[in-house]
Amino acid sequence: NAGVTQTPKFQVLKTGQSMTLQCAQDMNHEYMSWYRQDPGMGLRLIHYSVGAGITDQGEVPNGYNVSRSTTEDFPLRLLSAAPSQTSVYFCASTGTSADTQYFGPGTRLTVL
Amino acid sequence: GQQLNQSPQSMFIQEGEDVSMNCTSSSIFNTWLWYKQEPGEGPVLLIALYKAGELTSNGRLTAQFGITRKDSFLNISASIPSDVGIYFCAGSTTSGTYKYIFGTGTRLKVLA
Repeated sequence: NAGVTQTPKFQVLKTGQSMTLQCAQDMNHEYMSWYRQDPGMGLRLIHYSVGAGITDQGEVPNGYNVSRSTTEDFPLRLLSAAPSQTSVYFCASTGTSADTQYFGPGTRLTVL
Repeated sequence: GQQLNQSPQSMFIQEGEDVSMNCTSSSIFNTWLWYKQEPGEGPVLLIALYKAGELTSNGRLTAQFGITRKDSFLNISASIPSDVGIYFCAGSTTSGTYKYIFGTGTRLKVLA
């Protein structure tokens, strides 16, 4: 049981480049979400999904797109990276109650 | 947007001491969560609280859902070196949506 996996662990982009951060879970959880964590700050919700085919915006959605074609996968796309998107990105999945929430190990992204 | 004030921001304590930290919100929450994050890893859920006044323990950790529903407290008894990390609170104003707002964290350092 791998839980929540994220790839890559580290990534450096140039301004304007695009990329996709991958997130997968093997717990058959319906709810998945993406957060970003900046120094000295808590996690902020970017996008979330309550099931395959259903996504919605969180607190800081601008510059990011998501899709949820399967229950297992929830990729996060940066269409045109900006230095302000330098951050650590965490994916999480949640089962039927809040105490079944698990975070992935994170992707550390630097945009030059 | 909604704010979660978490205090203290950081603390140094001696091994064996008890630790207290708290979170306050400008909004009424339906769920409070407490996490621990260690360097280079994602947050790990410690305790989930679902109703006002609830007191829940997880080993040496005890958390309470404030009766005003605008605050929560976490206590760690008899701290040990492996308690080092950043502790986050998170709250949700809407039951069942799992859209959480995170505090800025309390960085705990334990002196042996």
